[in-house]
Amino acid sequence: GENVEQHPSTLSVQEGDSAVIKCTYSDSASNYFPWYKQELGKRPQLIIDIRSNVGEKKDQRIAVTLNKTAKHFSLHITETQPEDSAVYFCAAPPARNYKLTFGKGTLLTVNP
Amino acid sequence: EAQVTQNPRYLITVTGKKLTVTCSQNMNHEYMSWYRQDPGLGLRQIYYSMNVEVTDKGDVPEGYKVSRKEKRNFPLILESPSPNQTSLYFCASSLDRLRGTEAFFGQGTRLTVV
Repeated sequence: GENVEQHPSTLSVQEGDSAVIKCTYSDSASNYFPWYKQELGKRPQLIIDIRSNVGEKKDQRIAVTLNKTAKHFSLHITETQPEDSAVYFCAAPPARNYKLTFGKGTLLTVNP
Repeated sequence: EAQVTQNPRYLITVTGKKLTVTCSQNMNHEYMSWYRQDPGLGLRQIYYSMNVEVTDKGDVPEGYKVSRKEKRNFPLILESPSPNQTSLYFCASSLDRLRGTEAFFGQGTRLTVV
């Protein structure tokens, strides 16, 4: 079956530092790679996504990079702030079926 | 307002008592799915639906049923709940899963089976 692996499972940084979360996927035909943020007690919400025809996408302090050859993509958060503390999930919907599988999540803690 | 609505938000039930968690979206989305979220296991897909009357199993379908009789509704049915189904459940919808579009999540249902 399709597999999405996400690392690390927990990440603690100091305010102002950068954070990087990485996901690897198995289906080389996957072409859409979203990242979701889930604050404590709330629902997951999309924060950024990238399609396979693009190598990098930025939105203010967050960016996503994609390496299709190596089948991995990463979320980069710069100048982290306490409100960035949350669980982050990646997904790599396989092209061969209709499943939507998420990584197991990364708990990011930004210490003031 | 575009949204996915789940009900109830919280539910405590006893083993074996059938229950239904409702999910409704007002965005005319084709794709809907159910997830359960457990500590350390992330979001695991239970069932999904590509359109009306078209459903399929996700990664953890055992003990659950779904139906999609209307485009906007996708209820999750637990015919005989067991304690290992105690979890936080999310419904999600997206315009088109195949082309890859944003998934909108409901507010979640916290289910406890005693």
